[in-house]
Amino acid sequence: EVQLVESGGGLVKPGGSLRLSCAASGFAFSSYTMNWVRQAPGKGLEWVSSISSSTLYIYYTDSLKGRFTISRDNAKNSLYLQMSSLRAEDTAVYYCARVTCSGGTCPLDYWGQGTLVTVSS
Amino acid sequence: QSVLTQPPSASGTPGQRVTISCSGSSSNIGGKSVNWYQLVPGTAPKLLIYGVNQRPSGVPDRFSGSKSGTSASLAISGLQSEDEADYYCATWDDSLSGWVFGGGTKLTVV
Repeated sequence: EVQLVESGGGLVKPGGSLRLSCAASGFAFSSYTMNWVRQAPGKGLEWVSSISSSTLYIYYTDSLKGRFTISRDNAKNSLYLQMSSLRAEDTAVYYCARVTCSGGTCPLDYWGQGTLVTVSS
Repeated sequence: QSVLTQPPSASGTPGQRVTISCSGSSSNIGGKSVNWYQLVPGTAPKLLIYGVNQRPSGVPDRFSGSKSGTSASLAISGLQSEDEADYYCATWDDSLSGWVFGGGTKLTVV
């Protein structure tokens, strides 16, 4: 069974840093592109970042470039998001999500349950 | 402001058929497959539709998707109370080099 379990969320002051983790199990983690997607309270889903299986391709949403860094450790079946210079508007539930390509299409097919990050003084 | 445009709300009665629209552009929906997700508070987002109207294992065939040009739609037939949730469309955007989502549609089963 595919499982994605996020951790590392919590309360952080504006300007602070936080590192999120996503532990993967039930599939060959090293073969899959992974993503972070967030949902602010009362808002819609917003894609944050994507990292390919070999880390060759890394993408960020423009508004977050320079503050967030995505990484992965295939030996530990883990995905990470290092967040710095946090702002109130970064308050959200952060989900990790897997990409699976099949038949010419590549959806975000499995998601974790998310970890809540609250940025407040 | 979301890149993909969805109606904020939709509603229907049990047994009815409802559709949710998703409008984009040539850099996203126009050239890519559209995926649909169901979000229920407290649970992980669930993939409902991907590719050309494909459903992951376990998703009932009451859910179907379609696409025409730069717009897509999710249809839910035989509406059930457990279908009450938020629904999002999503696809990759070549211009932005990233995933884009609709603003979400809250479906109410009255």
